[in-house]
Order: sequence, then C-alpha cells, then structure tokens
Amino acid sequence: QKEVEQNSGPLSVPEGAIASLNCTYSDRGSQSFFWYRQYSGKSPELIMFIYSNGDKEDGRFTAQLNKASQYVSLLIRDSQPSDSATYLCAVNWGFGNEKLTFGTGTRLTIIP
Amino acid sequence: DTAVSQTPKYLVTQMGNDKSIKCEQNLGHDTMYWYKQDSKKFLKIMFSYNNKELIINETVPNRFSPKSPDKAHLNLHINSLELGDSAVYFCASRLWREGLGETQYFGPGTRLLVL
Repeated sequence: QKEVEQNSGPLSVPEGAIASLNCTYSDRGSQSFFWYRQYSGKSPELIMFIYSNGDKEDGRFTAQLNKASQYVSLLIRDSQPSDSATYLCAVNWGFGNEKLTFGTGTRLTIIP
Repeated sequence: DTAVSQTPKYLVTQMGNDKSIKCEQNLGHDTMYWYKQDSKKFLKIMFSYNNKELIINETVPNRFSPKSPDKAHLNLHINSLELGDSAVYFCASRLWREGLGETQYFGPGTRLLVL
C-alpha cells in the first residue's frame, strides 16, 4: 500500500513568520509531487508541484524535494491570515500516471 | 465560467435510497475523477475515466457506479445508501502537458448526508 503521510496539525504560525509543512511518502520510485490548498468548505486547488530534487520557488511559496529521504516540504514565507487552510500533499507514483495519492492534510492557522 | 461543476451541491437522504451526482467540465480535458473526502479531510480516489473509458477503479463497493456519457461528463450513481457514505464527493478533471506536468481541477463538491 503506497502511502503519503502528513502531520495533521493544527500548525499555528504567527503572521509574517515562515510556515513549514512536511510530507513523507512510502514509494521510493515516486515521480511527481504536489501541494494543494483547501480552504474550509471549499475544493482543493493546486499551489505548487515539483519533480526534481531541490527547491522550487513561486512567490512566497517554496517546495522542497528530497527523494533520498522520501520527503517533500512546503515553506510559506511572510505568512498571511489568508494562508490559513488545510494543505494537502499529493504524490504521483508514475510520471504522467493518472493516479494521485493524497496525504491526510495539515491544518495551518496563521495568527494575526 | 465554472470549469468543473457538480450537482447537487447538497444532498440529504435516507439510508437505503438511490441517488446520483452529476459532474461536467468545460476545460476540454480527457481525464476525470471522483474522490471521496471524509470528515477527517482524507481525500481518496474512487474512479477515473479517460475519454469515457474507466481506467482507475479503487476498492469501492459496487453500490457505486460511475458513468461517462462523453468526455465532458462523469456521473456517479449510488445504490442503497449507507450511513458511512456520508462525505463530500469531489469531481475533478486533469490537464496533462508533456514536459510541464499535470494539474487537477476540482469541482465545488457535493456534500452527502445519509440519515
């Protein structure tokens, strides 16, 4: 059973600080990795994807991938109250494969 | 201009009933999905269709039957509803671009409550 694990939280971070969200996955051969954000009562939306080891930056968001350690993380710089949401890590075991496996999500609260 | 739409948004019904949820995407994508999200926010894939053909069928009771009349529509019919079927059901469609990767676009969800 291929698994994706996240700390469910809640994770509380002061406004303006860096929020760090982590995700581990069980299959060493996994190819592509995604972070989705889900506001309460809403649907998930893609915010970042990463395929290669290292860092990928997009605005205030940085995704980090370490395939040797089988973890992927999301850093949110200068956290804003609007970043308060559940963040879902998702893994595609094959590149271009249709199936995404989601983690259980981490609930993030930014404290003003 | 809703990209992925679902109806109904809310569904409250009695145990044992049969109900359907409809999904439509106007993005021109070939692949569509049904996911179930339980009360703990765990999002689990149920089915996937590619251009009307079933390609993923997870361990889902056969009371759940998807139907894709064309690649823009994927409906979900549920027979003999049980209390444990209460959840939010999300439809999604997938854009895959060689070299650029993929994005899944989710519908607004259907909140099903079985009494």
